[in-house]
Amino acid sequence: EPEVTQTPSHQVTQMGQEVILRCVPISNHLYFYWYRQILGQKVEFLVSFYNNEISEKSEIFDDQFSVERPDGSNFTLKIRSTKLEDSAMYFCASSERPGSKGNTIYFGEGSWLTVV
Amino acid sequence: GEDVEQSLFLSVREGDSSVINCTYTDSSSTYLYWYKQEPGAGLQLLTYIFSNMDMKQDQRLTVLLNKKDKHLSLRIADTQTGDSAIYFCAESRNAGNMLTFGGGTRLMVKP
Repeated sequence: EPEVTQTPSHQVTQMGQEVILRCVPISNHLYFYWYRQILGQKVEFLVSFYNNEISEKSEIFDDQFSVERPDGSNFTLKIRSTKLEDSAMYFCASSERPGSKGNTIYFGEGSWLTVV
Repeated sequence: GEDVEQSLFLSVREGDSSVINCTYTDSSSTYLYWYKQEPGAGLQLLTYIFSNMDMKQDQRLTVLLNKKDKHLSLRIADTQTGDSAIYFCAESRNAGNMLTFGGGTRLMVKP
């Protein structure tokens, strides 16, 4: 079964450093997403991306965050200057399309980011 | 804003049925989802229901939706130890661009 893959599975970084989390969405999917889950808290939406631009973003997704689809297969989340409170599990997801019956979002296994 | 709530914990015996409940506040929810998260793993889509449906059955899983009460439930028949995981309820308004998740219900299945 096709799956969303994420790298790295775990990264430890120092506060203030830049981090790039990588994702390979399912190949025929057109919509891409990042979510995060701080330990003990709910899974939260960060951003959705379609047709090479951000289609929706949450309040969490401030100027420190950016997303990019640098080539035909990867989808990245960059955090420019990490803060302690950015420590979380970051989930990438993709879907074939929104708005249609049976639209489903498939999630990767997550990248656990620890900021020290 | 939208809110989705779940109870934190459920314990059942192997072979029994499990019922995991979820309430949501957004009356314009169009799709409601159930995801499963096993330890150290990502979110696995189990099933979803469109808001114009009352019930959906998929093998051992039955989803019931009470739109009037904004209540969603997931019933797992013949629960197995492999069903032990955290189950997340989620809703979306515009069919998928943004999901709002509940806090998850940890299901423990005792042999």
